[in-house]
Amino acid sequence: DAKTTQPPSMDCAEGRAANLPCNHSTISGNEYVYWYRQIHSQGPQYIIHGLKNNETNEMASLIITEDRKSSTLILPHATLRDTAVYYCIVRTTSGTYKYIFGTGTRLKVLA
Amino acid sequence: GAVVSQHPSRVICKSGTSVKIECRSLDFQATTMFWYRQFPKQSLMLMATSNEGSKATYEQGVEKDKFLINHASLTLSTLTVTSAHPEDSSFYICSARDLRGRADTQYFGPGTRLTVL
Repeated sequence: DAKTTQPPSMDCAEGRAANLPCNHSTISGNEYVYWYRQIHSQGPQYIIHGLKNNETNEMASLIITEDRKSSTLILPHATLRDTAVYYCIVRTTSGTYKYIFGTGTRLKVLA
Repeated sequence: GAVVSQHPSRVICKSGTSVKIECRSLDFQATTMFWYRQFPKQSLMLMATSNEGSKATYEQGVEKDKFLINHASLTLSTLTVTSAHPEDSSFYICSARDLRGRADTQYFGPGTRLTVL
């Protein structure tokens, strides 16, 4: 299974864009990149996912490099409620399609 | 998005008793559900994959006789912690695999906090 590497923590000023990087250098050609976030004492919340192309939805944008070895999740206008642990996951394409969670990035949005 | 519920949200039990946790997909059918465990300040750790109508697949190191999983319908999976001990105290989270549309995505429940006294 492809592993992911994320910085352990980041700070971001409220109203500014939060750019969260993820390295997945061993990703296979048919593996997707998923992003989730977990606010304290809650289950993870789905944010976005992609394969090759950049993706955007109402929550965030996902930028995947051309070689697919890394990606960046962008929260365009961070608010205090975006303070959470963000997980970048490469979804295995083996039979069970299970997720392997890394340590994630603890994002703190500052007022 | 899709909604996954868990019940109960928190439970306190005595050592030696069994506890059942329910996971339901509310607005979609899920042939596959997953169970995770999370200790304080740690990441989620996959315990097992639950497939509707068949036996669960457990991750290495997870005792199948201690953590009983039943996935009897397309919207319900249960995790029973048998003969619970204080070291089983943890945050248990389930997810359900949503295959609708182009997304093959897991949606997570809100979690169940188990405290064993």
